[in-house]
Amino acid sequence: DAKTTQPTSMDCAEGRAANLPCNHSTISGNEYVYWYRQIHSQGPQYIIHGLKNNETNEMASLIITEDRKSSTLILPHATLRDTAVYYCIAGSGGSNYKLTFGKGTLLTVNP
Amino acid sequence: KAGVTQTPRYLIKTRGQQVTLSCSPISGHRSVSWYQQTPGQGLQFLFEYFSETQRNKGNFPGRFSGRQFSNSRSEMNVSTLELGDSALYLCASSSNSPGPNTEAFFGQGTRLTVV
Repeated sequence: DAKTTQPTSMDCAEGRAANLPCNHSTISGNEYVYWYRQIHSQGPQYIIHGLKNNETNEMASLIITEDRKSSTLILPHATLRDTAVYYCIAGSGGSNYKLTFGKGTLLTVNP
Repeated sequence: KAGVTQTPRYLIKTRGQQVTLSCSPISGHRSVSWYQQTPGQGLQFLFEYFSETQRNKGNFPGRFSGRQFSNSRSEMNVSTLELGDSALYLCASSSNSPGPNTEAFFGQGTRLTVV
């Protein structure tokens, strides 16, 4: 799996958009970008994934640069319940069953 | 439908003992993975089972083992416990379809404390 780099922590005001960056400059052509989050003392939760096109679901949007070397997870209207550690993972389909977690970004949503 | 169920939620063991943790995946899911989470090392992959066969294994000593039953339920065992084995052990299940469009569903974890 390609190595990913994320900021250690970020703050966001409640109701504003939270933009979480991830660098994956060594990602290979068949590797996807996955995002998971972990709220304190709970198991990680899947958010979204993509290959090269931008993706959106009910939780978030994923913007992947054209060269695929970086991506941004967007939570459009952050709430206090979105406070969590967010993990960006780059991996191929088969290795989806072997998620390689980094340190992630601690997002704190402030009232 | 019911999520991934891990039992027990909390466990305290003494050094040298062994422990067995259980994971019941989401109904219909055949892939079960195990992860160890510690403050120092973060989330690390232990192993993954699919249809009772271990398909992937992480970089852990042989004291860590697992198995999967025909109903997809999985157990992991740690023998000769060490203080460093204290961690949150997480189980994740995935659907039958292999490939990149499969998300992993995690349980709440088992908090193991070795004293």
